[in-house]
Amino acid sequence: EAQVTQNPRYLITVTGKKLTVTCSQNMNHEYMSWYRQDPGLGLRQIYYSMNVEVTDKGDVPEGYKVSRKEKRNFPLILESPSPNQTSLYFCASSLDGENTDTQYFGPGTRLTVL
Amino acid sequence: QKEVEQNSGPLSVPEGAIASLNCTYSDRGSQSFFWYRQYSGKSPELIMSIYSNGDKEDGRFTAQLNKASQYVSLLIRDSQPSDSATYLCAVNPDSSYKLIFGSGTRLLVRP
Repeated sequence: EAQVTQNPRYLITVTGKKLTVTCSQNMNHEYMSWYRQDPGLGLRQIYYSMNVEVTDKGDVPEGYKVSRKEKRNFPLILESPSPNQTSLYFCASSLDGENTDTQYFGPGTRLTVL
Repeated sequence: QKEVEQNSGPLSVPEGAIASLNCTYSDRGSQSFFWYRQYSGKSPELIMSIYSNGDKEDGRFTAQLNKASQYVSLLIRDSQPSDSATYLCAVNPDSSYKLIFGSGTRLLVRP
């Protein structure tokens, strides 16, 4: 089944404790992206990747890191999480980044930073 | 000014009516426009995309684009309770790889 998976789905952590949220897709997509969703603010893009080893900042990259060492994986790293990073996070992928493309979203990761 | 603006709603319509959802965007160079549907607690799913001025129909859904007015809308005909969800407008500005989302309009279809 073609899908985007994220782990963990739920995470409660404390300020400053490094964490990684994994994202994997099995559709051989070149383009992958991370979003956070907050009430009243909608989905905001954190980082995106056009292909292996090619990443770029979205609108809200501060406090986050990403890497794209393999085509299928695009982990999101929070080196020192803070409470303002409490949010619902979505990973998405598409065949490429061209504007005609459909993005497929993962199921989401709900992160709480205490 | 937000780049993509939507009325948060809720927009309440009776079953069988036409639901009209609206979105305005600020980047005049935007090329691609999308409507996503998001059920509560679920991830967004694409329902319509539109790239040129005019109407695009797909089943009960019609997307309308007016680039001069920087306005894109989604019409849902014969609305069903199962259409109750949040509808997200998304814009691809300047053929970049970014996708800018509005904050969404919550639609409630009353049986």
